[in-house]
Amino acid sequence: DAGVIQSPRHEVTEMGQEVTLRCKPISGHNSLFWYRQTMMRGLELLIYFNNNVPIDDSGMPEDRFSAKMPNASFSTLKIQPSEPRDSAVYFCASSPRVNTEAFFGQGTRLTVV
Amino acid sequence: GQQVMQIPQYQHVQEGEDFTTYCNSSTTLSNIQWYKQRPGGHPVFLIQLVKSGEVKKQKRLTFQFGEAKKNSSLHITATQTTDVGTYFCAGPGGGSARQLTFGSGTQLTVLP
Repeated sequence: DAGVIQSPRHEVTEMGQEVTLRCKPISGHNSLFWYRQTMMRGLELLIYFNNNVPIDDSGMPEDRFSAKMPNASFSTLKIQPSEPRDSAVYFCASSPRVNTEAFFGQGTRLTVV
Repeated sequence: GQQVMQIPQYQHVQEGEDFTTYCNSSTTLSNIQWYKQRPGGHPVFLIQLVKSGEVKKQKRLTFQFGEAKKNSSLHITATQTTDVGTYFCAGPGGGSARQLTFGSGTQLTVLP
């Protein structure tokens, strides 16, 4: 298995533009997580899906952020419009089931200028 | 909600010295996980502890889960430069969602 696959690895965009981050979880994993990592705030959970259904999105910063999981093998995190303070590394992770180890993707480094 | 605190935030050690990071939760945890993130990398799972008072070892790494299941520690004996990175503890969140909540991490620097 190739592990959790995220794309793109790096994204530089101008303020106000729409940004879409993509994630392919490990096949057979029921849980999917989106995290954001910054120096100031550490590793923050944005949203958690279980069996493709959003269970907890309380970590989503504001309405500019949205996430979808149309099927078990694909998820997106969209920021529209993007702002400089959204600059961070965004990680997607999946796990076989609740309370088991999480496998992280390589992350997407987002820079909003 | 459940909070996971980690100390210290940073630790610099000389190669060969020991290192310990501590994790404390405001609530009882059903389990705790430990992850390592190398500079520029992504968090990688190290171990999961489930039982009260549990101790597990991985070569030079020793992991402990407190008797009350509210704290945990990671101890590295005789650090090496390959141990450099940030070590995170993580526990299930509160409520029915039980999503994985990460501590703030301890950034370890090993000086050769």
